[in-house]
Amino acid sequence: QVQLVQSGGEMKKPGASVRVSCKASGYIFTIFGITWVRQAPGQGLEWMGWISSDDGNTNYAQKFQGRVTMTTDTSTSTAYMDLRSLRSDDTAVYYCARGKFGLGPSHFFGIDVWGQGTTVTVSS
Amino acid sequence: DMQMTQSPSFLSASVGDTVTITCRASERISRWLAWYQQRPGKAPNLLIYKASILESGVPSRFSGSGSGTEFTLTISSLQPDDFATYYCQQYNSYPWTFGQGTKVEIK
Repeated sequence: QVQLVQSGGEMKKPGASVRVSCKASGYIFTIFGITWVRQAPGQGLEWMGWISSDDGNTNYAQKFQGRVTMTTDTSTSTAYMDLRSLRSDDTAVYYCARGKFGLGPSHFFGIDVWGQGTTVTVSS
Repeated sequence: DMQMTQSPSFLSASVGDTVTITCRASERISRWLAWYQQRPGKAPNLLIYKASILESGVPSRFSGSGSGTEFTLTISSLQPDDFATYYCQQYNSYPWTFGQGTKVEIK
């Protein structure tokens, strides 16, 4: 079945970096892009950006520009999200999810498959 | 950034009730809106995209409507599985933004 499996939880100190991985299976990886959405404890959903799995094209939310890098490895059908200069308010569950990105809203059909989430805790 | 405002933030309902959640955009977004359901401790689940198109496998008691700046999600005949938090998401412009969520609880 189609699934995205994320790496395990991380505890980091302020100023450090974190890498979260997201391994896809059950579909042709390069047909869909990967987006990253985070959720702080007890809060709503916040979109961070997306990456096209075929050509590596990215679109980051301005809030994260300069601190986030999204990449994919098509040989292993895995996406990665690196977040640098971590702060306490980066403490959240980070989700990877699948969708059709980069072709405009008429070609977007929702974020239809989500990973299980990775808890990143930033604390001194 | 586009602001998405859901109302109510919380509602209490009984099994079998029909409930409606409203999502308002700060600017016109045509019909570029999706709805998600999130149960506690779980990832969100896509219900509807393009304001009214039901995702495959989603029960027909869920329906969406609206265009421009005002949208609604209606759940007919609430089932125990439907008690969850619901989010709208606009994808008309970047950054994509979500509403703050509407928590549906059992009365």
